[in-house]
Amino acid sequence: QKEVEQDPGPLSVPEGAIVSLNCTYSNSAFQYFMWYRQYSRKGPELLMYTYSSGNKEDGRFTAQVDKSSKYISLFIRDSQPSDSATYLCAMSRSLGNTPLVFGKGTRLSVIA
Amino acid sequence: DGGITQSPKYLFRKEGQNVTLSCEQNLNHDAMYWYRQDPGQGLRLIYYSQIVNDFQKGDIAEGYSVSREKKESFPLTVTSAQKNPTAFYLCASSRTGFSGNTIYFGEGSWLTVV
Repeated sequence: QKEVEQDPGPLSVPEGAIVSLNCTYSNSAFQYFMWYRQYSRKGPELLMYTYSSGNKEDGRFTAQVDKSSKYISLFIRDSQPSDSATYLCAMSRSLGNTPLVFGKGTRLSVIA
Repeated sequence: DGGITQSPKYLFRKEGQNVTLSCEQNLNHDAMYWYRQDPGQGLRLIYYSQIVNDFQKGDIAEGYSVSREKKESFPLTVTSAQKNPTAFYLCASSRTGFSGNTIYFGEGSWLTVV
């Protein structure tokens, strides 16, 4: 079983829809969770960062972590065509000494 | 503006050649990383460096080499020993080692073997 599983999609939604992107993981030691957005042929950019369980909101984006289920989600409200990108989840056991483990990414298309 | 600069953006390599990808950052970050990304795949760690003059192998270091002589620079050499080098290469840096909330990526370099 891979440490981090992420459905690669592609996921296609109409403009204005609520998008739900998810990752599951197997290592219960993960405590730090991140979501990156990657436009085609570009480097990833950090969208959201959360520590341990709970929710974090930033504008139209909400990140959720459920450590009991080993499940993290990214919700995008009022999705826009400019949200079309690949979304990568990443996680780590600790800050400072352990590499990030990335999911494969989910490709999202928001259709106008 | 502060950021990470990778060059060249596109590079073609003949079989048996070594090539070097450049990565420079002006963010005053201590840690730097090289990742490889294949189509439909996540990021895989090649090498990382947490301080100058020190670096460690990541998950897929075979066929690659790095140096870290300056804080700002972390070049990656793809050697002829790397059997399948065609990929998208990403350089990243963070304030301290693996501080996930401060990791920033460059724009990437596309390497194609011809």
